Amino acid sequence: QVTLRESGPALVKPTQTLTLTCTFSGFSLSTTEMCVNWIRQPPGKALEWLARIDWDDDKYYNTSLKTRLTISKDTSKNQVVLTMTNMDPVDTATYYCARTRTPIGARAVYLDYWGPGTLVTVSS
Amino acid sequence: ETTVTQSPAFMSATPGDKVNISCKASQDIDDDLNWYQRKPGEPAVFLIQEASTLVPGVPPRFSGSGYGTDFTLTINNIESEDAAYYFCLQHDNFPLTFGQGTKVEIK
Repeated sequence: QVTLRESGPALVKPTQTLTLTCTFSGFSLSTTEMCVNWIRQPPGKALEWLARIDWDDDKYYNTSLKTRLTISKDTSKNQVVLTMTNMDPVDTATYYCARTRTPIGARAVYLDYWGPGTLVTVSS
Repeated sequence: ETTVTQSPAFMSATPGDKVNISCKASQDIDDDLNWYQRKPGEPAVFLIQEASTLVPGVPPRFSGSGYGTDFTLTINNIESEDAAYYFCLQHDNFPLTFGQGTKVEIK
């Protein structure tokens, strides 16, 4: 059974750095084809894809936020960490992690399992 | 970047109704579109992949159609448990982009 869960601070101040952790089970990021993404949704707005890390440590970022984002993994702990620098009130959102599979010789399966999300509010 | 326009933003349905939700992509994305359902406090559920393939375990009253730029999620004989937020995802190109979502209320 695949599960993911996001954790991190509920409140951060402007200019601070946000660190979020995605803890997952039911798969391993040391397995070829596995990837984990971060996505966010500001209140009343559309979902926005942020970043992805693959089993081979390849990383992909939304170019609009690339300078502020860092994604990393700890395979032994089944965790993926996202840091976002210089937080602003417009970054207030529910942040989600979700899995992608990229099987060799077959079509990728994007965002097949999600976490429930964690709300982060940016306010002084 | 591919913009995905989803409509309607909100709809109210009666049990037994047939419901259609639309996603329109700003460029040709072949069939690289997924549909999801999300209820408050719960993880999103993967409903449809590749525009029209039902994910195993999803009730057959859900179906998807479309190719290129126009896509539709259909819920036949809608049930009270289908009250949720629905959204589409295009994965034809990076960055992945989403529709704005549809909140479905069951009367």
